[in-house]
Amino acid sequence: GAVVSQHPSRVICKSGTSVKIECRSLDFQATTMFWYRQFPKQSLMLMATSNEGSKATYEQGVEKDKFLINHASLTLSTLTVTSAHPEDSSFYICSAREGRYNSPLHFGNGTRLTVT
Amino acid sequence: DAKTTQPTSMDCAEGRAANLPCNHSTISGNEYVYWYRQIHSQGPQYIIHGLKNNETNEMASLIITEDRKSSTLILPHATLRDTAVYYCIVRVAYMDSNYQLIWGAGTKLIIKP
Repeated sequence: GAVVSQHPSRVICKSGTSVKIECRSLDFQATTMFWYRQFPKQSLMLMATSNEGSKATYEQGVEKDKFLINHASLTLSTLTVTSAHPEDSSFYICSAREGRYNSPLHFGNGTRLTVT
Repeated sequence: DAKTTQPTSMDCAEGRAANLPCNHSTISGNEYVYWYRQIHSQGPQYIIHGLKNNETNEMASLIITEDRKSSTLILPHATLRDTAVYYCIVRVAYMDSNYQLIWGAGTKLIIKP
């Protein structure tokens, strides 16, 4: 089945630094990828929709200058958390859809970000 | 807001069938029902989806009522590894030809030995 790889799985950084998270579709092309954030014991919250070759679309309340998204190819999207603060500590998850409109989304295994 | 309602938690004995209910009384005629599960500290895993007919795959069966206002996910022979949070999601049309999944709180399924 379709595989989405996310890297790193876990990262600890100091407050004020930036962190880049990669999301790759390994065996299919994804024109659209999605980025989510999940706080402990809560459900997934959509942050932004990443479109290959164009600007990402951010959900209300998500700062686009803080969460930079680049979708450089049909198999790679990156999320950069800039000037990270402790409140940005969370579980970040990407997903991609293979093929048709009704195809299911496939998810990466998430990145646990801890900002100290 | 999520368009589905699920019990907060359920238990099931290992080897038995796990039946997870979901209410989606406001579902529209062209909206699909998706089921995902999330094992602790992992990304969600796709299980199954359907529109109005019952569906079955190697993981589970999906039973959708005739009025489409509710559905049941069936794991035929639950194992300890099926312990996870199970999300029932109605796909919402999003950004023209795209779609998005609105996640509710899900059902925490605990399989007991």
